[in-house]
Amino acid sequence: AQKVTQAQTEISVVEKEDVTLDCVYETRDTTYYLFWYKQPPSGELVFLIRRNSFDEQNEISGRYSWNFQKSTSSFNFTITASQVVDSAVYFCALSYFGNEKLTFGTGTRLTIIP
Amino acid sequence: SQTIHQWPATLVQPVGSPLSLECTVEGTSNPNLYWYRQAAGRGLQLLFYSVGIGQISSEVPQNLSASRPQDRQFILSSKKLLLSDSGFYLCAWGTASGAFFGQGTRLTVV
Repeated sequence: AQKVTQAQTEISVVEKEDVTLDCVYETRDTTYYLFWYKQPPSGELVFLIRRNSFDEQNEISGRYSWNFQKSTSSFNFTITASQVVDSAVYFCALSYFGNEKLTFGTGTRLTIIP
Repeated sequence: SQTIHQWPATLVQPVGSPLSLECTVEGTSNPNLYWYRQAAGRGLQLLFYSVGIGQISSEVPQNLSASRPQDRQFILSSKKLLLSDSGFYLCAWGTASGAFFGQGTRLTVV
């Protein structure tokens, strides 16, 4: 069975600080995908990134970066120089390779204080 | 480009009333479609998924049902709503790149 754990329920940081959101997953599959989604107050889920289990290269997109480590089953998300617009709930998710059904973590509510 | 439409955005229904939430996808054919529910303060739970017209798989037993009458239309229904059906319902379509979500329907059963 698959499981995604986001131990940080809520995080608050002052604007311009860096913040890391943790994601730990469990799966018996050797091939899988990991995702991060952002849910702003409007409610819709915004796709941020997908990473497959064969690609452990870290990825950077502007102020966002992701650190994937299979050895610790973690896929952490860092926001550099946070902004108020980053305030949202962030979800980490996992799917089997070739299967689009997602198993979500319970989310981390990030509040950026101006 | 592909877009996904979901309506209504908000809905308040009395206990025991029927429910129909609709989701349509544009810009793609034969999409895999999903209904997720997000209970207050919790993560998302997959309710139903469909790989084609008339093909519905249920992930959890519940008071809800789903139908796919057309290739790009996915409907979530209930004959009689329960208080526990309250939540935020999200439709999604899946691709090899990931799942893309509609704007969601916030359902409050009173």
